[in-house]
Amino acid sequence: DAGVIQSPRHEVTEMGQEVTLRCKPISGHNSLFWYRQTMMRGLELLIYFNNNVPIDDSGMPEDRFSAKMPNASFSTLKIQPSEPRDSAVYFCASSPPGAGTGYTFGSGTRLTVV
Amino acid sequence: RKEVEQDPGPFNVPEGATVAFNCTYSNSASQSFFWYRQDCRKEPKLLMSVYSSGNEDGRFTAQLNRASQYISLLIRDSKLSDSATYLCVLYGNKLVFGAGTILRVKS
Repeated sequence: DAGVIQSPRHEVTEMGQEVTLRCKPISGHNSLFWYRQTMMRGLELLIYFNNNVPIDDSGMPEDRFSAKMPNASFSTLKIQPSEPRDSAVYFCASSPPGAGTGYTFGSGTRLTVV
Repeated sequence: RKEVEQDPGPFNVPEGATVAFNCTYSNSASQSFFWYRQDCRKEPKLLMSVYSSGNEDGRFTAQLNRASQYISLLIRDSKLSDSATYLCVLYGNKLVFGAGTILRVKS
């Protein structure tokens, strides 16, 4: 089992540029989550999908952020245009069917916007 | 009020010590509870689930008190490798993470 795979591991970009983060969940997991972690705010849920359908995007900070899940094995989180305050570690996690089961996290993407 | 509250620490303890963390939550409808561990610059990893009856996994014991809305984690015989941030997590329809408690075990 390869686990949740995220890419890139690190991203440095200039303010105003578009950033796309990618995630491949564990095969058979039907829920996928995007989290953002900063020192100030901890782990924040941005959006989650169930069976490829967005269920709750109330954590998405603003319209500059968008997420898609075109199929069960791939999701993207896009920031356009990026701003320095978007600098954070972005984690993707997935979980199998069944309420209350633990999530498996990917290794994260460390985003720095300069 | 935050949905999950934890003492950020750090807790600095010598090897072999017993250390306990508490966490309080505000949503009485929460269904499930967990402790996650996060090492520096790594992803969070599930440490253990927490049940009302209390549960043990080696040196780790977790307890849930629904009436008082808190959960606890007890670590016995601390090892250097236990140094990490411990995240209190609850599940309603999604996982909600506390800010974490930093543990530093020193030789």
